[in-house]
Amino acid sequence: EVQLVESGGGLVQPGGSLRLSCAASGLIFSDCVMTWVRQAPGKGLEWVSVVSERGDRTYYADSARGRFTISRDNSKNTVYLQMNSLRVEDTAVYYCANWGNRKFDPWGQGTLVTVSS
Amino acid sequence: DIQLTQSPPFLSASVGDRVTITCRASQGISSSYLAWYQQKPGKAPTVLIYRASTLQSGVPSRFSGSGSGTEFTLTISSLRPEDLATYYCQQVDSYPLTFGGGTKVEIK
Repeated sequence: EVQLVESGGGLVQPGGSLRLSCAASGLIFSDCVMTWVRQAPGKGLEWVSVVSERGDRTYYADSARGRFTISRDNSKNTVYLQMNSLRVEDTAVYYCANWGNRKFDPWGQGTLVTVSS
Repeated sequence: DIQLTQSPPFLSASVGDRVTITCRASQGISSSYLAWYQQKPGKAPTVLIYRASTLQSGVPSRFSGSGSGTEFTLTISSLRPEDLATYYCQQVDSYPLTFGGGTKVEIK
């Protein structure tokens, strides 16, 4: 069974940093393009970032570019999202997902990031 | 950026009803790059349809997708109680990848 498990969420003050992790199992991780999507409380889905199979290509939403960094460690089957200069509006559940065959599937269960003083 | 506008944002229908959700793109996208997701309350999204009309394995056949260019539709042929959820379209044709605003489906 393919499984993605996010961790690293929590409460952080504005301007602070947090690193999210997404551990994958049940798939050939090094063949997978991985992505992060977030969902603010009561709001819709917002794509955040994507990283290629080898980690040499990355793309970001405008809201994330310059503050967030996506990376991966294929030896650990894990993708990361380093988030710096966090803002109140970054408060959301962050999901990781595998992007393959023109779809995001599967998704992890999500990890909640709360930015508040 | 490609904007996706879903309509209606909310709908209430009875069990057995045929339900149609529309997703309009601000510019034409290849049908190969349009997907639909279902998100049940408190859960992560799951894919229903990809490449505009391909049913994800394990998804009931009452769900179907169609469309091309700038207009796409998700149809539930006969609504069931377990279809209570919010539905999102998504384009993966170009960056930034974008989702529609969602359609919340309520069961009368």
